[in-house]
Amino acid sequence: AQRVTQPEKLLSVFKGAPVELKCNYSYSGSPELFWYVQYSRQRLQLLLRHISRESIKGFTADLNKGETSFHLKKPFAQEEDSAMYYCALRGQGAQKLVFGQGTRLTINP
Amino acid sequence: DGGITQSPKYLFRKEGQNVTLSCEQNLNHDAMYWYRQDPGQGLRLIYYSQIVNDFQKGDIAEGYSVSREKKESFPLTVTSAQKNPTAFYLCASSRTDSYNSPLHFGNGTRLTVT
Repeated sequence: AQRVTQPEKLLSVFKGAPVELKCNYSYSGSPELFWYVQYSRQRLQLLLRHISRESIKGFTADLNKGETSFHLKKPFAQEEDSAMYYCALRGQGAQKLVFGQGTRLTINP
Repeated sequence: DGGITQSPKYLFRKEGQNVTLSCEQNLNHDAMYWYRQDPGQGLRLIYYSQIVNDFQKGDIAEGYSVSREKKESFPLTVTSAQKNPTAFYLCASSRTDSYNSPLHFGNGTRLTVT
């Protein structure tokens, strides 16, 4: 079974501080992992995917197969980073995407 | 302007009535999905379709039905059998020719049943 867990429903940090949103997954094969973001009054959109090894808006995420984690990190948070963040997993050969419960990130000025 | 359109934005129904939510895409994507978004529960998959005239149940399909008669359209019917229909419903689409193809989401429909 595929399962994604985001242990923090709410996360609040100050502007300029580092931020880490946790994501753990349960899957026996090689997963494809994503982070999606929903800013206020905007539609849910892709932030980054692990296979691309990219940095988007200063965010990075590394797949740790040993710890089955895909935490999202940014060294210096900005106020515009305040949003709802979802971690998602797609299994090998599967089409459907399984989402975590989401973490609401608030950046305080 | 390519994208996914969900209508209406807000929908109100009386208990016991079926209601159909519209989802249309002009991205030429083969796959389409319906998710339900509830506070604290994230997005839960209701139904998905990888190709016209075919669809599969997701994790919470009970009380819902779908059809996929056209590539562009994937309407969701919330039936009277759905015990807790009041929610925010999101439609999405994606390509199927790439393993890491992301989902493109609509703006959602908020359904309130009283």
